Amino acid sequence: ETGVTQSPTHLIKTRGQQVTLRCSSQSGHNTVSWYQQALGQGPQFIFQYYREEENGRGNFPPRFSGLQFPNYSSELNVNALELDDSALYLCASSPTGPGYTFGSGTRLTVV
Amino acid sequence: KQEVTQIPAALSVPEGENLVLNCSFTDSAIYNLQWFRQDPGKGLTSLLLIQSSQREQTSGRLNASLDKSSGRSTLYIAASQPGDSATYLCAVISTSGTYKYIFGTGTRLKVLA
Repeated sequence: ETGVTQSPTHLIKTRGQQVTLRCSSQSGHNTVSWYQQALGQGPQFIFQYYREEENGRGNFPPRFSGLQFPNYSSELNVNALELDDSALYLCASSPTGPGYTFGSGTRLTVV
Repeated sequence: KQEVTQIPAALSVPEGENLVLNCSFTDSAIYNLQWFRQDPGKGLTSLLLIQSSQREQTSGRLNASLDKSSGRSTLYIAASQPGDSATYLCAVISTSGTYKYIFGTGTRLKVLA
């Protein structure tokens, strides 16, 4: 039991569609980060939220957006899906500062 | 810009061998370094976290060392078992900017029975 739950576990979408991935963190985890892991690669940082505000972003286009809610849940939204968006998406949360717990991920396939 | 490199990319060993996985990073200004295990298609399981002020951490058959000055870490696995087969990822969190992990590309380990 990691304390970080992601849903759904698997998802298939068509190119051009929009998708929302969800993450539920432990109570008190004010920081949540999202990562994209392409096949055979290490995870890449997408963005981070602290107390519902985005406070860091990686090299991803604006069609990747997020939300964090007061109940320690968060969302990753991707618009205008492209084939290259196919990846494992990981959520990680922390009460404060470095030292994160990762969820099991959502496997997104874009066809 | 922080970069993390892991060597080797893949490793196949017979059961029972002791082995070392290597991780190097280009910027020594880090908060911590963490080793993760990832099974195929699954999420990340934290194995060991080394704070920047520490030199090593141990958990069971695993030992991780950190040499910040040289930008290197090693993960030592003693008496390897087939159940250790997985991808091992090294990640650092830098002191500058957002608390985000910078990951290496991993070492794919296969332990043969």
